Amino acid sequence: EIVMTQSPATLSVSPGERATLSCRASQSVSSGLAWYQQKPGQAPRLLIYDSSTRATGIPARFSGSGSGTEFTLTISSLQSEDFAVYYCQQCINWPHTFGQGTKLEIK
Amino acid sequence: QVHLVQSESELKKPGASVNIACKPSGYTFSTYAINWMRQAPGQGPEWMGWIDTNTGTPTYAQGFTGRFVFSLDTSVTTAYLHITSLKAEDTAVYYCARDPKSAGYFDYWGQGTLVTVSS
Repeated sequence: EIVMTQSPATLSVSPGERATLSCRASQSVSSGLAWYQQKPGQAPRLLIYDSSTRATGIPARFSGSGSGTEFTLTISSLQSEDFAVYYCQQCINWPHTFGQGTKLEIK
Repeated sequence: QVHLVQSESELKKPGASVNIACKPSGYTFSTYAINWMRQAPGQGPEWMGWIDTNTGTPTYAQGFTGRFVFSLDTSVTTAYLHITSLKAEDTAVYYCARDPKSAGYFDYWGQGTLVTVSS
């Protein structure tokens, strides 16, 4: 199974600043990578699929990049509603594995 | 618009069984596969597998064979997750989610069903 490793575990950023979250796959997943946002008590919400395509209704401040084993989610100017936990997930191989998450907190 | 509505939280004793319903709306039920995820407290989601809503064929991830069963009732356009012989470590939130292109990512999720297994 492909292991997804996210870093850092917790990221403290001030509103208005840029946040950069990383995700590494234990083997190549090509561009088969999705990002989700999860707030307490809610289901995950799809942000990005195919490594860099924003899902319907996702603001342009969210962008994804990378291929192979290294991926990045960038939030260009943090809004208050962006503070949450973010998960990456590989879509290429079964089982479709998720990372353990990065908690984005207010600095 | 698209919604997936799941059944309410359950409190079960070890050894019991539970049935979780997932009812999509806003699209044709048989068009997209339904996937199931488990999220233990403080952990990331874990993919359990999926069911083809056209044929009813389930596929299970390793670790979710035997006690876990995916099924459909097409007459009420509802998918189900049935778990038998519940253990304390099955305590988690269970989600159903739609895979829009059979591409392995999930664009709409149910609200989650908390299953608590405790004596």
